[in-house]
Amino acid sequence: ETGVTQTPRHLVMGMTNKKSLKCEQHLGHNAMYWYKQSAKKPLELMFVYNFKEQTENNSVPSRFSPECPNSSHLFLHLHTLQPEDSALYLCASSQERVSYEQYFGPGTRLTVT
Amino acid sequence: GIQVEQSPPDLILQEGANSTLRCNFSDSVNNLQWFHQNPWGQLINLFYIPSGTKQNGRLSATTVATERYSLLYISSSQTTDSGVYFCAVEPYFGNEKLTFGTGTRLTIIP
Repeated sequence: ETGVTQTPRHLVMGMTNKKSLKCEQHLGHNAMYWYKQSAKKPLELMFVYNFKEQTENNSVPSRFSPECPNSSHLFLHLHTLQPEDSALYLCASSQERVSYEQYFGPGTRLTVT
Repeated sequence: GIQVEQSPPDLILQEGANSTLRCNFSDSVNNLQWFHQNPWGQLINLFYIPSGTKQNGRLSATTVATERYSLLYISSSQTTDSGVYFCAVEPYFGNEKLTFGTGTRLTIIP
């Protein structure tokens, strides 16, 4: 595998379910990001990890819980989501946190029913 | 925060045509990237170009940092160029976040 991979690619979940999104980067980068892309809105940064430490939480509701066990893996744990959380969730990575080119994964399209 | 405006919002062209997409930003930047989002949602890096000019095949980009704009040129368009093109910037002073524009949706007709 090369670049940034995400699984699953599609996810349908009920509001009471718990699920996790997974991101893995094979680029040797030290910073990883979660973004949300909703219809008709610009991409929104959710979380940033730099050298496994969370450095940014962009006022994201607690029903989204990130985890970064090492510099290559990033998870987004989901629980009791709302229908308005349906969106494309994109993971990205960069060499380090500031002013480095970001590379994106293919995204997970999430539908909350 | 920094404002990013892209124009035009939509562009429909015949295959083989050339196009220019514009990105205006409201403050000095450390980082500017152009992305192409394909119909499946994948964001593909086109250019990392906080200043200057770069070329890659039929695509080229120019950023005039002092005037706070960037241009993406696509020559001899192909149907595979269809999708949404995003400009994203990180301000020189401030929040160290990539802020995305709302994109230009390009449709290439055979």
